[in-house]
Amino acid sequence: GAGVSQSPRYKVAKRGQDVALRCDPISGHVSLFWYQQALGQGPEFLTYFQNEAQLDKSGLPSDRFFAERPEGSVSTLKIQRTQQEDSAVYLCASSPRDRSYEQYFGPGTRLTVT
Amino acid sequence: GNSVTQMEGPVTLSEEAFLTINCTYTATGYPSLFWYVQYPGEGLQLLLKATKADDKGSNKGFEATYRKETTSFHLEKGSVQVSDSAVYFCALNGNNNDMRFGAGTRLTVKP
Repeated sequence: GAGVSQSPRYKVAKRGQDVALRCDPISGHVSLFWYQQALGQGPEFLTYFQNEAQLDKSGLPSDRFFAERPEGSVSTLKIQRTQQEDSAVYLCASSPRDRSYEQYFGPGTRLTVT
Repeated sequence: GNSVTQMEGPVTLSEEAFLTINCTYTATGYPSLFWYVQYPGEGLQLLLKATKADDKGSNKGFEATYRKETTSFHLEKGSVQVSDSAVYFCALNGNNNDMRFGAGTRLTVKP
């Protein structure tokens, strides 16, 4: 079946621009996660949704980062006034149950801020 | 807080060699442990998992045993193939359901 999809796959933004990254989870998956993966590092947790409720946003690095999942399916991660340190791969994952269950990852969006 | 430390790479092996990638963790309580694999150009895929002490996860010839006494979850494979070339991530999901990943180990298998 269809896996987790993310768009765009690549995004180049000029410093100060706003960007929006989209995640389509596996149909019916309750939980959705966003991670940030810097080059040569493992994914770092950003935020977690259960259905439409954002239950944990403790990993968001600043108030420039905002995520939503208004209908409990598709999610958007928005970064305002991008900075060079925001350059990374942003991964989305979904899970059929709560966050203790295994997660299924999308291919990621590589963001480069110039 | 919870954390995972895994063997630094890169690791280069010849086909049919034995593979070990070390992973140790620090956690309170009883975390679940995972190995994820990332093939070139693809997303992270779950390779195997173990949810309690002494459990052995296995998949595609890979194995890892949850050792609480040594807080380890080392990945092993008896005979690697070129197609196993990828980046391998050890991860844990703790009691507060906070998934933590290691930095990843790049494996290259040469024919």
